[in-house]
Amino acid sequence: DAKTTQPPSMDCAEGRAANLPCNHSTISGNEYVYWYRQIHSQGPQYIIHGLKNNETNEMASLIITEDRKSSTLILPHATLRDTAVYYCIVRVSYGGATNKLIFGTGTLLAVQP
Amino acid sequence: DGGITQSPKYLFRKEGQNVTLSCEQNLNHDAMYWYRQDPGQGLRLIYYSQIVNDFQKGDIAEGYSVSREKKESFPLTVTSAQKNPTAFYLCASSIASGGKGYTFGSGTRLTVV
Repeated sequence: DAKTTQPPSMDCAEGRAANLPCNHSTISGNEYVYWYRQIHSQGPQYIIHGLKNNETNEMASLIITEDRKSSTLILPHATLRDTAVYYCIVRVSYGGATNKLIFGTGTLLAVQP
Repeated sequence: DGGITQSPKYLFRKEGQNVTLSCEQNLNHDAMYWYRQDPGQGLRLIYYSQIVNDFQKGDIAEGYSVSREKKESFPLTVTSAQKNPTAFYLCASSIASGGKGYTFGSGTRLTVV
């Protein structure tokens, strides 16, 4: 199973872009990169996912390097409500049917006023 | 609105007692999952199920049991064999292929005294 490495914590000023890095050097060609976030004592919330191309939605952008060994989640204008633990996850697929998510310890993003 | 419901939110049990955590979804998702989270840790997979009447052990299945008699329901029993049951338990569901359809419940915090 491909593992991910994230910094344990980061700070960001309110209104500025938050760039959260993730390393996944052992990722396989058919494995997706997912990002979730978890606010204290709640269930994780889906943010975005991608395979090779960069992706953007209403919450964030996902930049995946050409060799797919790392990615960056970008929150374009961080607010205090974005303070959470952010998980970068590689999706493990078994026979195209079951797809487990393997969670690491994530990055605690603290948005400062 | 479609979603996934875990109950109760807080649960207290005496040591040595079995306890069952409820997880119900009305999203018509095929796959369901149980995760455990300890303070300051990521999520660890306990059990998962692709279809009704079928389930597989995750990374930390010892001391737990599950059933999948209905598509909508995936209850988790924490047995007395689980050595350290106090934790935050999260249930999730997804479509068979994963996609972005990983929806998490709000969790059950179990405290064994």
